[in-house]
Amino acid sequence: GEDVEQSLFLSVREGDSSVINCTYTDSSSTYLYWYKQEPGAGLQLLTYIFSNMDMKQDQRLTVLLNKKDKHLSLRIADTQTGDSAIYFCAESIGYSTLTFGKGTMLLVSP
Amino acid sequence: DTAVSQTPKYLVTQMGNDKSIKCEQNLGHDTMYWYKQDSKKFLKIMFSYNNKELIINETVPNRFSPKSPDKAHLNLHINSLELGDSAVYFCASSQGLQALAEQYFGPGTRLTVT
Repeated sequence: GEDVEQSLFLSVREGDSSVINCTYTDSSSTYLYWYKQEPGAGLQLLTYIFSNMDMKQDQRLTVLLNKKDKHLSLRIADTQTGDSAIYFCAESIGYSTLTFGKGTMLLVSP
Repeated sequence: DTAVSQTPKYLVTQMGNDKSIKCEQNLGHDTMYWYKQDSKKFLKIMFSYNNKELIINETVPNRFSPKSPDKAHLNLHINSLELGDSAVYFCASSQGLQALAEQYFGPGTRLTVT
């Protein structure tokens, strides 16, 4: 079945790098995504990676995909207080229906 | 300017009541979704509609009935509300059903059932 797991909480200092990890179980995932949810707001797509890629970089964001281990990570360089939010990993298989992880709350302290 | 809007933003009601949440998107998308986010922030798909037709209907009680009068609207009607229905409900839309159709989310409707 489909299952996406994430650690629930991460705390870092401003300026450090943050790494948020995710594991998924369905090997037929076509795309994997990272969404950001700020307090009281909807989800915003941050970045995505196709399942035949192993890395994608987008400014301060780096996504690493280890398809063998079904492990996805999001690295945020030079983390800022504005990055404090909940980050959701999600996968899709074929259709655009997403299966989300439970979210990782990132807290950035000054 | 709002891409995906939901009304109301907050909804407090008593058990047993019937309520509706409305969603509208002005992006010209043909696919719309309802998600439920529980108190532990777990986000799960409930329904998806493509061109006003139901595509996905996860295991949701039949007290929940989505209605899509046109491609820009997907409303969610809930009958006989229960305490466990308390959650934040997010509407989303995308263009097409393909895997990389970026979904745009509304701000959410916080439903509290007392």
